[in-house]
Amino acid sequence: AQSVSQHNHHVILSEAASLELGCNYSYGGTVNLFWYVQYPGQHLQLLLKYFSGDPLVKGIKGFEAEFIKSKFSFNLRKPSVQWSDTAEYFCAVKQGDTGRRALTFGSGTRLQVQP
Amino acid sequence: EAQVTQNPRYLITVTGKKLTVTCSQNMNHEYMSWYRQDPGLGLRQIYYSMNVEVTDKGDVPEGYKVSRKEKRNFPLILESPSPNQTSLYFCASSPSGANYGYTFGSGTRLTVV
Repeated sequence: AQSVSQHNHHVILSEAASLELGCNYSYGGTVNLFWYVQYPGQHLQLLLKYFSGDPLVKGIKGFEAEFIKSKFSFNLRKPSVQWSDTAEYFCAVKQGDTGRRALTFGSGTRLQVQP
Repeated sequence: EAQVTQNPRYLITVTGKKLTVTCSQNMNHEYMSWYRQDPGLGLRQIYYSMNVEVTDKGDVPEGYKVSRKEKRNFPLILESPSPNQTSLYFCASSPSGANYGYTFGSGTRLTVV
């Protein structure tokens, strides 16, 4: 079974600091990759996704992620975080070359941005 | 508005008392799924459905049932809830093609005492 690892469980940053959250997955075939954000008390919302093409993907709210196939990674970045980015972030992977539609999620990274 | 609607948002129940959490989507999506979210574990898939009358187990199906009699509805049934099913539950849906993400419902926080 495939797995998704998010190594940073809790990250605390000051406003304007740069952010990078790690995500690694284990599936060796074609993958579809996602980052979701969950603000306190809310449901998951899609930040960005990668299916094919340019491995640098831009999403909403100034977030971007880079797919590095050789490293099985899809790290999330933002040059300058804001207090409103305080949330939990989930990386998710779907097998792109099978009939499976299931998303496998990482355990999440809680980001706390201090004003 | 395109959305996935779950009810109830909050539920406290006692061990062994059957309950159903409803999920409905208005986007004509073929694929629907239930996840539970627990601290430190992320989201784990319980059951999914590729289309009407087609359901299958996810990673943590024990203690749960589902049905898909209509395309828009995908209820989650706990026949005899236990305290280890205390969790935050999310329903999600997506079109059938490969290149789509999920749309999530607002979640149901279930407490079993």
